[in-house]
Amino acid sequence: KAGVTQTPRYLIKTRGQQVTLSCSPISGHRSVSWYQQTPGQGLQFLFEYFSETQRNKGNFPGRFSGRQFSNSRSEMNVSTLELGDSALYLCASRPGQPGDTEAFFGQGTRLTVV
Amino acid sequence: QQQVKQSPQSLIVQKGGIPIINCAYENTAFDYFPWYQQFPGKGPALLIAIRPDVSEKKEGRFTISFNKSAKQFSLHIMDSQPGDSATYFCAASLMGTSGSRLTFGEGTQLTVNP
Repeated sequence: KAGVTQTPRYLIKTRGQQVTLSCSPISGHRSVSWYQQTPGQGLQFLFEYFSETQRNKGNFPGRFSGRQFSNSRSEMNVSTLELGDSALYLCASRPGQPGDTEAFFGQGTRLTVV
Repeated sequence: QQQVKQSPQSLIVQKGGIPIINCAYENTAFDYFPWYQQFPGKGPALLIAIRPDVSEKKEGRFTISFNKSAKQFSLHIMDSQPGDSATYFCAASLMGTSGSRLTFGEGTQLTVNP
């Protein structure tokens, strides 16, 4: 079974631009969560999507948004990039059934804002 | 109330030693406590997890000790090996039907010297 796939692996963007990151979950998994990892703030929850609906949201500004498609693939978008948005963005997938626990993480997308 | 505090920030042991990483949480509603291992350039991978109705769980060389009254849990790595050198994150979550979000500790960088 293929793991969680995130594309691209690396991105360099300029302040003020916007960026879209993609995540393909494990086949059959319907829940996709996004996390931001930085040296200063650690791993922070952005949002979770399940069956194309956002069902959990972290404390990030509205510049961070996401969506999920009918095949469970998810995208997250960051608009008006700031230097502080430089981070490793991780996607995690789960089956999404009540009681399921393990979250499987992708390798992440390393975003650098210059 | 959603915080998870992890210590120490870094840890160096000799091969065969028993590193211990500690975490404390505030929200008594948390019902799932996983530990993740992360190698450079990789996403976090689930190592071992525990539910609050169990005081200890062992999987191979990894053991979680859980103290519900103190709201603390810890990871012990028996007979540590250089290959265990990685960053370790504790986390806590509410595994409800409305989805889940992992709240992570700050991480511990473990170095096992040969």
